[in-house]
Amino acid sequence: GAVVSQHPSRVICKSGTSVKIECRSLDFQATTMFWYRQFPKQSLMLMATSNEGSKATYEQGVEKDKFLINHASLTLSTLTVTSAHPEDSSFYICSAREGAPRGTQYFGPGTRLLVL
Amino acid sequence: GESVGLHLPTLSVQEGDNSIINCAYSNSASDYFIWYKQESGKGPQFIIDIRSNMDKRQGQRVTVLLNKTVKHLSLQIAATQPGDSAVYFCAENTGNQFYFGTGTSLTVIP
Repeated sequence: GAVVSQHPSRVICKSGTSVKIECRSLDFQATTMFWYRQFPKQSLMLMATSNEGSKATYEQGVEKDKFLINHASLTLSTLTVTSAHPEDSSFYICSAREGAPRGTQYFGPGTRLLVL
Repeated sequence: GESVGLHLPTLSVQEGDNSIINCAYSNSASDYFIWYKQESGKGPQFIIDIRSNMDKRQGQRVTVLLNKTVKHLSLQIAATQPGDSAVYFCAENTGNQFYFGTGTSLTVIP
């Protein structure tokens, strides 16, 4: 299957700093990428959908000024958690879809963020 | 959003037995569904998918059943193995996004 990578896999930062997470589709061009967050023993919560070259669409309750998403190319999307606080500590997972809206999403391995 | 952040139900099965994991989806307009497997600390892994014009689809050791009348999806794993221990999520495609169900934690007892 298609491969999606994330970097970093784990990050620890101080409260108030910003953290950037990269999501890359390695062997296909992703017209759409998705960002999820997951708390321990809970399901994946969709945060936002990004299409290459356009602004991301955020889910209700997700602050777009807090979670900046950039999808600058067909193989790269970034999520920046600005002014991170301990409550932002979570597992952030991206996924990428190659083409049609009904196409399969392939997930990255996730990024574990811990804000101290 | 339509995803639900509830604590995971659990299922324990004996190695070699069959497992059935159930999922209720919310949107009657959803027309594409995927089952994912997630191991601890990793991203979800695609298992099998089904479109709404089908009732059943089989893969290697796995079968997905779709009942659109009651908006219910199930994943059957034959001859469950220790490596099948993980959390299993169903995801429904609504428009441009996928929304995930609560998930079920499967533990296989050797």
